[in-house]
Amino acid sequence: GDSVTQMEGPVTLSEEAFLTINCTYTATGYPSLFWYVQYPGEGLQLLLKATKADDKGSNKGFEATYRKETTSFHLEKGSVQVSDSAVYFCALIGSGTGGFKTIFGAGTRLFVKA
Amino acid sequence: GAGVSQTPSNKVTEKGKYVELRCDPISGHTALYWYRQSLGQGPEFLIYFQGTGAADDSGLPNDRFFAVRPEGSVSTLKIQRTERGDSAVYLCASSPGQGRNIQYFGAGTRLSVL
Repeated sequence: GDSVTQMEGPVTLSEEAFLTINCTYTATGYPSLFWYVQYPGEGLQLLLKATKADDKGSNKGFEATYRKETTSFHLEKGSVQVSDSAVYFCALIGSGTGGFKTIFGAGTRLFVKA
Repeated sequence: GAGVSQTPSNKVTEKGKYVELRCDPISGHTALYWYRQSLGQGPEFLIYFQGTGAADDSGLPNDRFFAVRPEGSVSTLKIQRTERGDSAVYLCASSPGQGRNIQYFGAGTRLSVL
């Protein structure tokens, strides 16, 4: 079945450092790919998405590119802030008969120090 | 409403008791989803409604879990004879229709079974 694997955390960075959180997926066809963020005490929020190969999703300085050849959707940000501290989830919605349920990775916790 | 609303935000119960968790989706959204998020994990799919009917309940762990959406809007997730292993955050999401639409998540109900 479809699955998502993302790098284990926690990731600890200093403010203004470069962030990469790796995400790879297994799915048939052409899934839609997402990054969600969960701030402390809050619900899941969609951060960005990409629906086809080579699409780049971007929001709030975060970017991720849909790489079909490597089945990856790595999240990047050039300069993190303390307010980016949160748990980040990579996710997909498949293109097959189960193409409605969101399949999530286990999440990566990010700590940003001032 | 402005977003997906879930009540209660926290529920503490004793082993063996019955609980109901409520989800009020975004107005006009025909699709509704329930997920369960255990500590340190990503959300896992439980059940999907399109309108009033459960289009897929393959994620429900056993027959103690049941969900309804009688008028195609509010949904209730019902858990009978709760067990300590049912402790988790139960998330509800809604989307405008079927297919690979973005799902909007509520803040969740944290269920603790003592």
